[in-house]
Amino acid sequence: DAGVIQSPRHEVTEMGQEVTLRCKPISGHNSLFWYRQTMMRGLELLIYFNNNVPIDDSGMPEDRFSAKMPNASFSTLKIQPSEPRDSAVYFCASTLKGGNQPQHFGDGTRLSIL
Amino acid sequence: GESVGLHLPTLSVQEGDNSIINCAYSNSASDYFIWYKQESGKGPQFIIDIRSNMDKRQGQRVTVLLNKTVKHLSLQIAATQPGDSAVYFCAENWGLKNAGGTSYGKLTFGQGTILTVHP
Repeated sequence: DAGVIQSPRHEVTEMGQEVTLRCKPISGHNSLFWYRQTMMRGLELLIYFNNNVPIDDSGMPEDRFSAKMPNASFSTLKIQPSEPRDSAVYFCASTLKGGNQPQHFGDGTRLSIL
Repeated sequence: GESVGLHLPTLSVQEGDNSIINCAYSNSASDYFIWYKQESGKGPQFIIDIRSNMDKRQGQRVTVLLNKTVKHLSLQIAATQPGDSAVYFCAENWGLKNAGGTSYGKLTFGQGTILTVHP
């Protein structure tokens, strides 16, 4: 079965550029989560969606970050403009409707802002 | 300047030994707990879960114990193998629910423990 699919796997770009990360959740899952992982802060929840609707975006660090989920099978996380401190691994995870189910993670996008 | 990162707890064991990884969780109202394994370059991988109405659950070579009195969770790995070397995270579900009473599934993660298994 296909798991959570993220793209790109690696992204290197210069500061000030727009970055778009993509995620395809597992089919049938109705909750989607975006995380950021760094050595300094560990794994942080940025935002999560339930039935394509953003529920809690309090983890989004700044207005430079935005996330959308136009349909049940696709989500994007955008950073504009990007800064070196945004360098991290960004994970997407999804879970089956009803909660109290494990979140399934993609293999992440390793983002480096120069 | 010098960068300061998280100082993760570490556990080193010999191949074949049993491993115990501990986790203190924060919310007494949490109703669901998960252990994840993360290998280098990969996302966290589900190992085992437990609901708050249980105090023990066993899987293949792994056992999770839950002590709600002291808000403590542990993962026991039997006959640890080099392939078990990874960072292990515990996670708790605070039980946030939508208007319809369905849990959102939002998890709060611990900082992780590095397990190293020596052949």
